[in-house]
Formats: sequence, structure tokens, C-alpha cells
Amino acid sequence: NAGVTQTPKFRVLKTGQSMTLLCAQDMNHEYMYWYRQDPGMGLRLIHYSVGEGTTAKGEVPDGYNVSRLKKQNFLLGLESAAPSQTSVYFCASSFGTGGSGGEKLFFGSGTQLSVL
Amino acid sequence: GQQVMQIPQYQHVQEGEDFTTYCNSSTTLSNIQWYKQRPGGHPVFLIQLVKSGEVKKQKRLTFQFGEAKKNSSLHITATQTTDVGTYFCAGKGTGGFKTIFGAGTRLFVKA
Repeated sequence: NAGVTQTPKFRVLKTGQSMTLLCAQDMNHEYMYWYRQDPGMGLRLIHYSVGEGTTAKGEVPDGYNVSRLKKQNFLLGLESAAPSQTSVYFCASSFGTGGSGGEKLFFGSGTQLSVL
Repeated sequence: GQQVMQIPQYQHVQEGEDFTTYCNSSTTLSNIQWYKQRPGGHPVFLIQLVKSGEVKKQKRLTFQFGEAKKNSSLHITATQTTDVGTYFCAGKGTGGFKTIFGAGTRLFVKA
């Protein structure tokens, strides 16, 4: 049981290049999230999804797009990378609402992205 | 929009001393969660609090949720070197779907 898997683990981009980060979960979770983590700023929510085929904006969505074509996958795209997008990106998933720990987030191991 | 503030940003303690981190939300929360992230690792879920005034304990860790469901705290008694890491609170607003994280408190423990 792999949990939440993110690929790639590391990536270096030049300004203006594009790339896609892949998140896959095998826990049949409804909700999936993309966060970025910068020093001193904690985890900021980029986009999230409450089910297959749905996406919504988080706190810092500009410059990113997402897709949830399959329940188990959540893709994060950067169309034209900028140095300000240098960060560690974490994907997370949860069963969703319902209390009793149903909203507990399971995180992937992260992607270190550098934009030069 | 919903904001979650967490203090202090850093805390240095001697092994055996106590540690507390505080979390404050700009809006009423339906629940609050706490996570721990070891250096170089990913956040790992510790606990979720749902009820007003709720207090939960996990060995040396005590978690509280305020009466107004807008603030929370994590207290560690007699810290150990294994407690090193960053502790995050994360809150979900009433009627919302988003879990918003505080900036975290990084704990350093000197042996």
C-alpha cells in the first residue's frame, strides 16, 4: 500500500518552461490537494479537488493549473515557470468530510522544484 | 479569506523543558488538526479536535481547542530530542472544504 506518491522528486526548470507534477493515491480518497511550502510561510494551498472531475482554487492559485480526470490522480501544471515558483510542492489526500478523522490529510514525500 | 496564525515561529529548548505552540484563526473553525514535519520530511498527522473546549492527550503531548473554536494549542511536556521538527496547526472553516495551515513552529531541542 503506497499511500500518496509524487513524481518527480526533484526538478530544475528554466524560466518560461512548463512541467507537470503527478500525484497518485491508492486509498480511494475523494479529496486531493496541492500545497507549496516556502521557508517561514508554512504550507499554502494552491488548488484542491473534492472529487473526480472537480477542481477549485486555494490561497495561491495564480500560475498553476490542475486536473483530476481520474479519482486516484491529481496533476499540477506550471505553464510558464517563474523563479517565484521555486518551492517544495506537497500533494495530500483525504477521505473528505465526516469527522472521526475523515479529514486527516495524508501527504506525499514532496517535489523540490527550482526555477532558474 | 480564512487565515490561521501560529506562534512562535521558532523555539529553542533544553531537553526536559516544556514547549507550547499557539494557533489562532480569523474565523470560526469546524475542526483543527495538528501535524508534525521532521527536517527533510513531509507533514504527518498527529490529531484532530472537533468540539468546543476539547482537550486530548497523546503521551507527553496535550492538545486544546478553544471554547470559541478559533484558537488551539499544543503543549509538549519534558521535551526529548525526538520531538525536533516543525509543528503545524491546520484549520477548516465551517461549511468549507479547504484545510488552511498555520506557518508552523520549528522546535529545536538541545541535549
